[in-house]
Amino acid sequence: ETGVTQSPTHLIKTRGQQVTLRCSSQSGHNTVSWYQQALGQGPQFIFQYYREEENGRGNFPPRFSGLQFPNYSSELNVNALELDDSALYLCASSLGLTADTQYFGPGTRLTVL
Amino acid sequence: AQTVTQSQPEMSVQEAETVTLSCTYDTSESNYYLFWYKQPPSRQMILVIRQEAYKQQNATENRFSVNFQKAAKSFSLKISDSQLGDTAMYFCAFFGSNYQLIWGAGTKLIIKP
Repeated sequence: ETGVTQSPTHLIKTRGQQVTLRCSSQSGHNTVSWYQQALGQGPQFIFQYYREEENGRGNFPPRFSGLQFPNYSSELNVNALELDDSALYLCASSLGLTADTQYFGPGTRLTVL
Repeated sequence: AQTVTQSQPEMSVQEAETVTLSCTYDTSESNYYLFWYKQPPSRQMILVIRQEAYKQQNATENRFSVNFQKAAKSFSLKISDSQLGDTAMYFCAFFGSNYQLIWGAGTKLIIKP
């Protein structure tokens, strides 16, 4: 059974650029959630995808957007990067929308200069 | 809105000692789940233990156990016979009817040899 994977591991962007982060869910999991974890803080929920539809969104502006593909992998896109977007971005998958237990990938460390 | 509070930013104990991490939460829901996740320096968020709110029995996983007090909205984690590999950030998280994890700020646990 393959766990949750994320790519890239880390990347550096400059303010105003756009970035795409990728996540492959655990085998059989159809729900993907994205979280932003600033340094020294707990994760904050960005949004969740279930069967290719966004289902629930945290307090993040529209420049944070996402996709889920038929194989349940997912992308997080961030436009017009700001310095405060520097964080660890975590992807988690679960077996169904109401499944309480989420399994996390290793994260992508984004640095915005 | 649900909130999760971890009041201990950092704790340290000697190897083999027992340590208890505190977590309180606020919710008006009656059915929910609570979690403790561990995040070592590798950044991977690892599930430690899960508690279902409708179960009065406290969850246990080997050296890890919880003290769940539903009326007091308290959910503490006890680590027995602590090991060097337990050194990590520990996060308490709440999962309710909006199907997203709400996280505390974390407690940094250091196990000293």
